[in-house]
Amino acid sequence: GAVVSQHPSRVICKSGTSVKIECRSLDFQATTMFWYRQFPKQSLMLMATSNEGSKATYEQGVEKDKFLINHASLTLSTLTVTSAHPEDSSFYICSARSVSGTRVYNEQFFGPGTRLTVL
Amino acid sequence: ELKVEQNPLFLSMQEGKNYTIYCNYSTTSDRLYWYRQDPGKSLESLFVLLSNGAVKQEGRLMASLDTKARLSTLHITAAVHDLSATYFCAVDMDSNYQLIWGAGTKLIIKP
Repeated sequence: GAVVSQHPSRVICKSGTSVKIECRSLDFQATTMFWYRQFPKQSLMLMATSNEGSKATYEQGVEKDKFLINHASLTLSTLTVTSAHPEDSSFYICSARSVSGTRVYNEQFFGPGTRLTVL
Repeated sequence: ELKVEQNPLFLSMQEGKNYTIYCNYSTTSDRLYWYRQDPGKSLESLFVLLSNGAVKQEGRLMASLDTKARLSTLHITAAVHDLSATYFCAVDMDSNYQLIWGAGTKLIIKP
């Protein structure tokens, strides 16, 4: 139980295009999902907190117009990197917070990550 | 501001040896998590520690939590090469459900 999927796992795109990354909780409902970015050899950096049915809360320094987050259902959140540039290349990881029915209330479960490369 | 400090940040050790990774945090919290990350992969949950004195063991790894000292340890017993990875601790912020992350400990175990 408590599986989170991400799609795609890897994407290469040209500069200026937009890329959408999906994060799904497969066997539990997640009112809150988190989007992280990880640079090589560094820890996770929280980008935003996504709450179902409301606007995402972005961390300081994260451009909300560049990283569009939508959390339309209790099992799906999407991150769209708009007008991507090479500096947006990174490993993006989502997590979903369990609210019930999993081993630990409020525990976060992580997706497998999406490797974005912008040429 | 809640800070989480891990040490060491890098550890190279021989197979068969024991070692401990430390995770200190700066404010009260009742939930601490340990994760493993292999190169190019996402995070794998290792342990969830929910109360003072909690101790959990899985194979050669054992984690403990002392909420009074604001310290968690991840102990590796008789290390094997397969345990080579980066290990992160994270502390739960009750107020907004965010996790505050340590910098990670890169562990290399040489055969």
